Amino acid sequence: LAKTTQPISMDSYEGQEVNITCSHNNIATNDYITWYQQFPSQGPRFIIQGYKTKVTNEVASLFIPADRKSSTLSLPRVSLSDTAVYYCLVGPAANTGNQFYFGTGTSLTVIP
Amino acid sequence: NAGVTQTPKFRILKIGQSMTLQCAQDMNHNYMYWYRQDPGMGLKLIYYSVGAGITDKGEVPNGYNVSRSTTEDFPLRLELAAPSQTSVYFCASGTGVNEQFFGPGTRLTVL
Repeated sequence: LAKTTQPISMDSYEGQEVNITCSHNNIATNDYITWYQQFPSQGPRFIIQGYKTKVTNEVASLFIPADRKSSTLSLPRVSLSDTAVYYCLVGPAANTGNQFYFGTGTSLTVIP
Repeated sequence: NAGVTQTPKFRILKIGQSMTLQCAQDMNHNYMYWYRQDPGMGLKLIYYSVGAGITDKGEVPNGYNVSRSTTEDFPLRLELAAPSQTSVYFCASGTGVNEQFFGPGTRLTVL
């Protein structure tokens, strides 16, 4: 089970780009990296998933170096509504439900 | 398409009481999960299911039971409520491990 390490909290001003890095030194060959966002009193919401290099969608970008021992979630020009907890998860894409560890996440606060 | 629904939204139980938290999804997902989230903490997996009739324990299964008689429903049973089970419970469903869709949660207090 590949556990992850993230910063506990981060602050950023509105309009800035935010990068949240996650360490996963024990990532397995068939593991994917997935990021979730959670607002207070809500369930987590899937943001982005990747295996290697770079993935981009309408919400964020995910950068994964060649050794895959870390990954960086990049949020462009954050707004107050991006204040949330962000979780990095590592696990296989299918077939089991047990290999899924959320950790405590990174609490991002966007400041006006 | 309602996604994942959970009932009730809130519940207060006395120590030793029992209750069932309901979870239903209309996305025809095979995988379903129950998590608990204590204040300021991440989510911990209680039980999961990879299909109707198949369930397995997660990280913190003690004090809970589940069943999966249909693809749509995945109820979580608390038999003898204890204060340590005070938490927010989230149900989720998905097509595989890494992309899950979460319900709105049930906030449970045991006094």
